Amino acid sequence: GAVVSQHPSWVICKSGTSVKIECRSLDFQATTMFWYRQFPKQSLMLMATSNEGSKATYEQGVEKDKFLINHASLTLSTLTVTSAHPEDSSFYICSARDPWDQRGEQYFGPGTRLTVT
Amino acid sequence: DAKTTQPNSMESNEEEPVHLPCNHSTISGTDYIHWYRQLPSQGPEYVIHGLTSNVNNRMASLAIAEDRKSSTLILHRATLRDAAVYYCILSNFGNEKLTFGTGTRLTIIP
Repeated sequence: GAVVSQHPSWVICKSGTSVKIECRSLDFQATTMFWYRQFPKQSLMLMATSNEGSKATYEQGVEKDKFLINHASLTLSTLTVTSAHPEDSSFYICSARDPWDQRGEQYFGPGTRLTVT
Repeated sequence: DAKTTQPNSMESNEEEPVHLPCNHSTISGTDYIHWYRQLPSQGPEYVIHGLTSNVNNRMASLAIAEDRKSSTLILHRATLRDAAVYYCILSNFGNEKLTFGTGTRLTIIP
């Protein structure tokens, strides 16, 4: 099946700094990718929909100026957490769908664990 | 999006079948029923999906009630590697967004 990768798999940063997380579709092109956040023992919460070549669509309550999303190519979307604070510490997961996959399956990345100290 | 209801947790013995229920009484005619699972510290992975008819694949079977207001994910022979949180999600055709509920945490007893 298709593969979605994320980099880095984990990152520790100091409060006030910015962190960039990459999401790549390795063997298919994705015009749309999704970014989720997951706190411990909780479910995934959709943060935004990343659209290639256009602005991301953010879910209600998600600060677009804090979570910058760039989808510059059909295989890469990036999420930048700006001026990170300890409450931003979470597991960030991206997903994408292969538009040629008849099953409509979404492929998820392995996740990036962010710890803000 | 229509809401789904799942038990918070279930236990099953290894090598026995597991039936994971999901209620979706407000499902619309164009909603697909998707199942994903998430192993600890990993991203979710696709398990199966269906619209009206029962579905089988190498991982599981999906049994959909005739009125489509409920469905059951069936793992035919559970292994320790099947211990995960299982999510039942409804998604309208053409809408790629997946809204995750709380899911069912499945524990497999050796």
